[in-house]
Amino acid sequence: EDQVTQSPEALRLQEGESSSLNCSYTVSGLRGLFWYRQDPGKGPEFLFTLYSAGEEKEKERLKATLTKKESFLHITAPKPEDSATYLCAALSGNTPLVFGKGTRLSVIA
Amino acid sequence: GAGVSQSPRYKVTKRGQDVALRCDPISGHVSLYWYRQALGQGPEFLTYFNYEAQQDKSGLPNDRFSAERPEGSISTLTIQRTEQRDSAMYRCASSPGDPLTEAFFGQGTRLTVV
Repeated sequence: EDQVTQSPEALRLQEGESSSLNCSYTVSGLRGLFWYRQDPGKGPEFLFTLYSAGEEKEKERLKATLTKKESFLHITAPKPEDSATYLCAALSGNTPLVFGKGTRLSVIA
Repeated sequence: GAGVSQSPRYKVTKRGQDVALRCDPISGHVSLYWYRQALGQGPEFLTYFNYEAQQDKSGLPNDRFSAERPEGSISTLTIQRTEQRDSAMYRCASSPGDPLTEAFFGQGTRLTVV
């Protein structure tokens, strides 16, 4: 069974304190690894898709990387507005997107 | 519209009643997905349409749940004989192409069964 596990469940950072969120996946034939941001009361907002091991994508203070077993979302010098839940999802074969439970990030000024 | 629109935003219904949740995707988007999201959890797949064809309904919990997208645009998720365990946030998403393309999510419908 395809599984996506995110860690930590919650992370509290001081403004400017860089860190990484982890997404471990167990899927057969990964076609794509997705990162979404979700603010309270809103739907998930697309950030990145990674397709193959070694691929990296960046957007402002966020950089996503992919290996054969996991993906990392690196947050450099975070700001309070980066506070949100970050969701990871994997797509494999003909199965639909499988989401992890998310990491709740709080950035304190 | 500018984004994925879901209605109603909130629905409270009595146990045993039927409910219909509506999703209006972004104009021109081929793919439409229904997810259910419990508090503190990631979205859980329910079903997926490509145009009007229901390509995958493996995530529907049981036969009380059904969905349709008759003209390849607006979709309705129907839950018959609702139970308390059906209470959740139901989210719709659409994308311009196949599942590998970026999906845009709506604000969701919060269903409460009392």
